[in-house]
Amino acid sequence: QQQVKQSPQSLIVQKGGISIINCAYENTAFDYFPWYQQFPGKGPALLIAIRPDVSEKKEGRFTISFNKSAKQFSLHIMDSQPGDSATYFCAASDSGNTPLVFGKGTRLSVIA
Amino acid sequence: AAGVIQSPRHLIKEKRETATLKCYPIPRHDTVYWYQQGPGQDPQFLISFYEKMQSDKGSIPDRFSAQQFSDYHSELNMSSLELGDSALYFCASSQGTIGEQYFGPGTRLTVT
Repeated sequence: QQQVKQSPQSLIVQKGGISIINCAYENTAFDYFPWYQQFPGKGPALLIAIRPDVSEKKEGRFTISFNKSAKQFSLHIMDSQPGDSATYFCAASDSGNTPLVFGKGTRLSVIA
Repeated sequence: AAGVIQSPRHLIKEKRETATLKCYPIPRHDTVYWYQQGPGQDPQFLISFYEKMQSDKGSIPDRFSAQQFSDYHSELNMSSLELGDSALYFCASSQGTIGEQYFGPGTRLTVT
């Protein structure tokens, strides 16, 4: 049973467009929701993370929107660039230093 | 800034051999996590350590063991290797209850 469901599996966006990736979770104990970016053969890199006390967090071109009642959160990449082409994973954990549960990933391709 | 260091980066072993993967966390990080990532899959949690004690255990085979040493580095020992153990193995570290996990570059293990 996938505890964190991520969609879409793949996404093609024009350069300058907005990329949107969605995740949903079941475990109400989850209270930490990070997003990771991974290039082929590299380790996942922490992009941005949010906790349930806020509904939105923005860092540069990356924004997380969080809907606690719907148990959903999403990543928005504004002004998408070809260099953003990578696999993006959402994840969740229940407080502090506990293991992350990952979504299946979204392969983003930004085309010029 | 210093990152998580993993060694070796690549490892080729034959079936039934043993392998040892090493992880050096970011300075002042006291928690280490091990994840396994198969081709095209999301990272799967194996095991974690906090202050040199095992803190969580995931889908780690009995053939694998791990420990965290006094200098906080960690080693993952894998015995009786099987073809299915071929994967990327990532170590991540975090600082106590802050929760942000930073991943290393990974070790690509190939079992032939």
